[in-house]
Amino acid sequence: DIQMTQSPSSLSASVGDRVTITCRASQSITNYLSWYQQKPGKAPQLLIYAASNLQGGVPSRFSGSGSGTDFTLTISSLQPGDFATYYCLQTYSLRTFGPGTKVEIK
Amino acid sequence: EVQLVESGGGLVQSGGSLRLSCAASGFIFSNYWMTWVRQAPGKGLEWVANINQHGSEQYYVDSVKGRFSISRDNAKNSVNLQMNSLGPEDTAVYYCARDAGFWIHSAWVAAFDYWGQGTLVTVSS
Repeated sequence: DIQMTQSPSSLSASVGDRVTITCRASQSITNYLSWYQQKPGKAPQLLIYAASNLQGGVPSRFSGSGSGTDFTLTISSLQPGDFATYYCLQTYSLRTFGPGTKVEIK
Repeated sequence: EVQLVESGGGLVQSGGSLRLSCAASGFIFSNYWMTWVRQAPGKGLEWVANINQHGSEQYYVDSVKGRFSISRDNAKNSVNLQMNSLGPEDTAVYYCARDAGFWIHSAWVAAFDYWGQGTLVTVSS
């Protein structure tokens, strides 16, 4: 089974900050990696698919990169609505989520 | 507009059964894999099961194999999750999601592009 890790597990940041979240797979998943944003009490929302492709309607301040085992989600300038928990998901073999990264207000 | 609406959640005793349903609309249901994801209170997301377009392939996370069964009815645009031998560890909000394939560099790469609002399953001991 493929295991996913994320770092950090939480972070505090201010509006306007550049934020980077890392996701690592236990084996190569090429580009079978997507990123989701979840706000409390709400369903997750797809941000990035295939490691670096922005889902329609998602602001361009979100970007993804990486391939193989190491991936990053970057928010170029954090906005008030971006405070949420972010999850990565591998779909290379079955499906496995990372444990999540909570982005909080500093 | 794509919509996914889950139903069937509720309170059940340990060892009991429950059947969740997800009604889909706004897209050609029979063209897509569908998936169930759950989230225990205060915890992260866990993929549970998925099913292919025709219902001929089903896959499960190890923790539910032999207890849960995913099925679909393309005539009714619905996907179901039959849950048996439930335990307190199955307490969670259950989401259905569209398990979509994106054509990237000559390969289909999956992601969950639409989600329902979730239905809460509580298993009492």
